[in-house]
This record gives sequence, C-alpha cells and structure tokens, in this order.
Amino acid sequence: GENVEQHPSTLSVQEGDSAVIKCTYSDSASNYFPWYKQELGKRPQLIIDIRSNVGEKKDQRIAVTLNKTAKHFSLHITETQPEDSAVYFCAASPDNFNKFYFGSGTKLNVKP
Amino acid sequence: NAGVTQTPKFRILKIGQSMTLQCTQDMNHNYMYWYRQDPGMGLKLIYYSVGAGITDKGEVPNGYNVSRSTTEDFPLRLELAAPSQTSVYFCASSDQRGNNEQFFGPGTRLTVL
Repeated sequence: GENVEQHPSTLSVQEGDSAVIKCTYSDSASNYFPWYKQELGKRPQLIIDIRSNVGEKKDQRIAVTLNKTAKHFSLHITETQPEDSAVYFCAASPDNFNKFYFGSGTKLNVKP
Repeated sequence: NAGVTQTPKFRILKIGQSMTLQCTQDMNHNYMYWYRQDPGMGLKLIYYSVGAGITDKGEVPNGYNVSRSTTEDFPLRLELAAPSQTSVYFCASSDQRGNNEQFFGPGTRLTVL
C-alpha cells in the first residue's frame, strides 16, 4: 500500500518567517494530495490540496508544490503568524475510493 | 448542516468491554471512513465504506467491526477492548465524485484501562 513520510516532525519559526514541510509518497498511482491542519484537541481541517496534473497551487499565504517524478510534495507558509501554530498533516490518495494515507504530522510553533 | 457528528466525546473502558462509536453525516456523502490517531502520530485508516451495505478494511482493522445500513450512519464496534486501542477516533466522509476533501467529525477520545 501507499507509504507517506513527512518531515520535519517539529518546526519552530519566528513570526513573519516562512515554514516549509515536506512529504514523500511511494505509490505512483497517487493523484490527490491534501494538507490538513489540526489545532490542539480539534478535528483535522483541509487547508489546501493539489492534484497530480498540477505542479503548484497557491492560496494567499499558503502554497503547495508537487514533483511527480520524485514523488514528493511540500507545503509552504509565508509570513507566519501565531495562529498558524498547529499540527499539519500531508496525505496521498491513490485510488477512486478516496482513501487517504497520512504522514505522521509536523508540529509547527510560531513564536511571536 | 451539522456535517459529521460523533458520539460519545470521551469514554473510558475496562479491558474486555465492548462499545460502539457512533458517526453520522448529513451531507449525503456515499464515502465514509474511520481513523485512529495515536498520540503524536498521524491518522491510520481502520475501515471505510463506499455506500450503504458496502464496507472494507483499511490499514489497521484488527479488533474492530463496522456496518453501514444507511447513507448517514457508520458505527464502529470494539468487541473486546484492549489497552492498545486507547486512541482518538475520527470519522470522516467525502463525496464520491473522484478524489476530494474528507470532512472530519470532532473525534472520540477512548481510554482502555
């Protein structure tokens, strides 16, 4: 089955700096890559996603890039704010049943 | 719309006890999923369903059972609780039209002592 690896496990940045989280996947059939944000004690919520026919997608301060050849994708957050502090999960979906295989998460701490 | 709802929010079980975690969605989604999230870890798929009467195993199905008698409900059953099943359980649903966003419920925090 699909295997998704995520790095780093923790990331601490100063407010206003950029943060980058990287994921790799193993199944070349994966064609949908969502990113979820989970605040402490809350449910995961989608912040951005990308499909395999697109190399980059941007939504305000958040962007995701995808390299299908290398089987890796990354989340970029610019001008970080304290409210960006949370755990971020990447996922890959290789089949039509929309099953997600999640990375192990990155705890982002934005210091004011 | 309430989205995806789960009950209970918290539960403590003794080893060997049984319980059912409830999940309901009001978005008319055909696809539903159960995940478990261990402390400091990602989400692992337990079971999923692509429609009423159709269920299948995910990555970590041992010790669990599911049923799907209606589009709205997807309960998860633990028959003989073990300490290894201490976790937070999330139910999710998605539209069946291709790969797209899964909507998550608020989670059930289960402790087995």
